[in-house]
Amino acid sequence: EAGVAQSPRYKIIEKRQSVAFWCNPISGHATLYWYQQILGQGPKLLIQFQNNGVVDDSQLPKDRFSAERLKGVDSTLKIQPAKLEDSAVYLCASSSYRGRETYEQYFGPGTRLTVT
Amino acid sequence: AQSVTQPDIHITVSEGASLELRCNYSYGATPYLFWYVQSPGQGLQLLLKYFSGDTLVQGIKGFEAEFKRSQSSFNLRKPSVHWSDAAEYFCAASGGGADGLTFGKGTHLIIQP
Repeated sequence: EAGVAQSPRYKIIEKRQSVAFWCNPISGHATLYWYQQILGQGPKLLIQFQNNGVVDDSQLPKDRFSAERLKGVDSTLKIQPAKLEDSAVYLCASSSYRGRETYEQYFGPGTRLTVT
Repeated sequence: AQSVTQPDIHITVSEGASLELRCNYSYGATPYLFWYVQSPGQGLQLLLKYFSGDTLVQGIKGFEAEFKRSQSSFNLRKPSVHWSDAAEYFCAASGGGADGLTFGKGTHLIIQP
């Protein structure tokens, strides 16, 4: 079974530029998450999708970050315009939660963003 | 507010020695608890998880963790570490179901030869 795929793996941009990250979850996984991991910290949830609907985006800086999950499969996270403090690893995860079953989140390798 | 605390930023252990990494949580109810490992340039890999039942849970790579409700703790242990265990370890919690995870800041494990 293929894991969670993310691209690109690395991205360097200047501040005020825009950038987009792509995630392809494990086949059949209805729930998709985007996390931000700043150097020296644990990952922080940015947004959670259930199929193509947003479940939780309370920690997403909506003035500059946006995300979508068209057709309930792939997802794109965009930053526009980027700030220096957006330098981080952006992790995508997916899970196959169905009702009361226990679940596990499977993480992709991440995209390392450097804003100069 | 929900939070997970890992008090130790760095821990150095000799190869073959035992290991314990600490994790404390603050949640409204008993959360679902997890330990993840992250090697350089790699994604997060789940070591073990606690949902309910037996408070001592076994995971992969010889790791185990014990849930102690009275101490709001979920410490990770391994009886004998190997050089390949050097990595960043994260404790995480959620409210259950498909809730997103709240992570601690991580503990960087260094293995001395």
